[in-house]
Amino acid sequence: DVKVTQSSRYLVKRTGEKVFLECVQDMDHENMFWYRQDPGLGLRLIYFSYDVKMKEKGDIPEGYSVSREKKERFSLILESASTNQTSMYLCASSPTIIGGSDTEAFFGQGTRLTVV
Amino acid sequence: AQSVAQPEDQVNVAEGNPLTVKCTYSVSGNPYLFWYVQYPNRGLQFLLKYITGDNLVKGSYGFEAEFNKSQTSFHLKKPSALVSDSALYFCAVSLSLGGNTPLVFGKGTRLSVIA
Repeated sequence: DVKVTQSSRYLVKRTGEKVFLECVQDMDHENMFWYRQDPGLGLRLIYFSYDVKMKEKGDIPEGYSVSREKKERFSLILESASTNQTSMYLCASSPTIIGGSDTEAFFGQGTRLTVV
Repeated sequence: AQSVAQPEDQVNVAEGNPLTVKCTYSVSGNPYLFWYVQYPNRGLQFLLKYITGDNLVKGSYGFEAEFNKSQTSFHLKKPSALVSDSALYFCAVSLSLGGNTPLVFGKGTRLSVIA
């Protein structure tokens, strides 16, 4: 059974803290993504990575950074947490397959982060 | 740029009735289209996808979707709704398979099935 695992379901952090959100996938997927989900705004892409040590900015990268040192792990970092970063964070992974059938992205269960 | 529109924030349907959740897309090329479902406090679960071939695609839990190129739509349908179908539904589009072009999501439609 395929799995994308996020390290925490719920987190409460203080303004100004450095926050690490961890995501691990066991499907040997090349591509990994971080989205944030807010009511009425849907899912917005923060960063993605298509290879180890590679990263690309998404639509809303400000205030975030990422790290991908190993293929299975993709970390999202909030350098100095702010209250407007209170949100649900979703990690996903997908394969890079040409002509394959398993092309969809698989999601973790989400981390609900509250910054106070 | 690619985009997805889900024109309805909320859809209400009686149990046993057919349901439709609407999605339109905009891409400069051939689209790859997906539907995901999210239950409360959970991540997204894949329902179905259109890659190529038949315009009517069937997915999990009795859901299906019809790709209409002329109307740039990919509406999600089910012949007979269940209360357990109540959830948040997301339509997504990509210009390529794999991750080099990440999925772009609509804002979601909340489906409420009333017993």
